[in-house]
Amino acid sequence: DAKTTQPTSMDCAEGRAANLPCNHSTISGNEYVYWYRQIHSQGPQYIIHGLKNNETNEMASLIITEDRKSSTLILPHATLRDTAVYYCIVSIFQGAQKLVFGQGTRLTINP
Amino acid sequence: DAGVTQSPTHLIKTRGQQVTLRCSPKSGHDTVSWYQQALGQGPQFIFQYYEEEERQRGNFPDRFSGHQFPNYSSELNVNALLLGDSALYLCASSLVDRSGNTIYFGEGSWLTVV
Repeated sequence: DAKTTQPTSMDCAEGRAANLPCNHSTISGNEYVYWYRQIHSQGPQYIIHGLKNNETNEMASLIITEDRKSSTLILPHATLRDTAVYYCIVSIFQGAQKLVFGQGTRLTINP
Repeated sequence: DAGVTQSPTHLIKTRGQQVTLRCSPKSGHDTVSWYQQALGQGPQFIFQYYEEEERQRGNFPDRFSGHQFPNYSSELNVNALLLGDSALYLCASSLVDRSGNTIYFGEGSWLTVV
């Protein structure tokens, strides 16, 4: 079973920041938080990952709470092309790392 | 473009037949994992290959088998196809000896079993 809880769906206006929450209250000390998104009929696209520090790249920012029990993915200026299902995943590196996907959050960006 | 290549992109098979799907990992990656994604669901881990051996397996029957070649490319084979095997099959590649490494997915192979 997935170790994360995400809202089923969210809406955001184009040009605004999209903030996607994720709860992972049972996360272990050596588990990373990964975010992927999947646009209809395409393979999952890697967005960002982090262990305990906040992370930022060209796509998004990842804010992890100090207790690591939750995180927020921030898309700073959402566009229509950001409409997708967003998956929050926690995963340990164990040599044979696998990702356990939940249902994700269906994010719709509205014009 | 994640650099992971899968083929074919779409195929239709009949119940009872066998299918082979192929994957070339991102350049420099040595580990290939396969996932099955049914319509409306998140991807489910099938198995992973490293150094031409299956390292870990999800909850899938023996009808699902795989292979990894010396150049790190991989095949997924499914025997005795069932209607329920209709899904998007995803290949993911990574580097095994990297903590917190990034896993990249291909665009998938759509399998329809009729």
